[in-house]
Amino acid sequence: DTVLTQSPALAVSPGERVTISCRASESVSTGMHWYQQKPGQQPKLLIYGASNLESGVPARFSGSGSGTDFTLTIDPVEADDTATYFCQQSWNDPFTFGSGTKLEIK
Amino acid sequence: QVQLKESGPGLVQPSETLSLTCTVSGFSLTSYSVSWVRQPSGKGPEWMGRMWYDGDTAYNSALKSRLSISRDTSKNQVFLKMNSLQTDDTGTYYCTRDDGRWNWFAYWGQGTLVTVSS
Repeated sequence: DTVLTQSPALAVSPGERVTISCRASESVSTGMHWYQQKPGQQPKLLIYGASNLESGVPARFSGSGSGTDFTLTIDPVEADDTATYFCQQSWNDPFTFGSGTKLEIK
Repeated sequence: QVQLKESGPGLVQPSETLSLTCTVSGFSLTSYSVSWVRQPSGKGPEWMGRMWYDGDTAYNSALKSRLSISRDTSKNQVFLKMNSLQTDDTGTYYCTRDDGRWNWFAYWGQGTLVTVSS
């Protein structure tokens, strides 16, 4: 299975720029997607196809990467962005998710 | 609008079978595929399997021997059955609509918590 590795946690101040990384154990082309999950809620799609912003998601969110290295960027960060962020690949079978990066806003 | 809602028992005995229902609205099961995704508390989600729009199924190989997904298009429902449950099957179970070229998950149900315990 394709393993997706994310750093466990980050802490930033409001107004700063934050990058969240996801590394795949094998190429997933641009079949990478990003989700935001707040406690007690279902995941919410932010970015699909590595760099495409889902409708209704603020333009502060952006994604980049291809192959094995991907980045989700939030610029500028707001207090409401406190959440866990997951990457997910749909290029290789079975689809897999990362373990998540917990973002704390100081 | 697109909606998905999971239903089923919150508590299952070890070694028993889990049966969940996903009821959808706002789209047709013959036009879109539906996946089941589960998430242990505090961990990342795990894709379990999919009911394709054409009636075919796909399963995560790690669960394939225990898992069955079916549907009733007349009732707009997708069903999950998984047998031989153990305590590490405890978690929140979601159904999702697959979208786009690479089947990302733009729509999720609210999830249903399943606890495996005696």
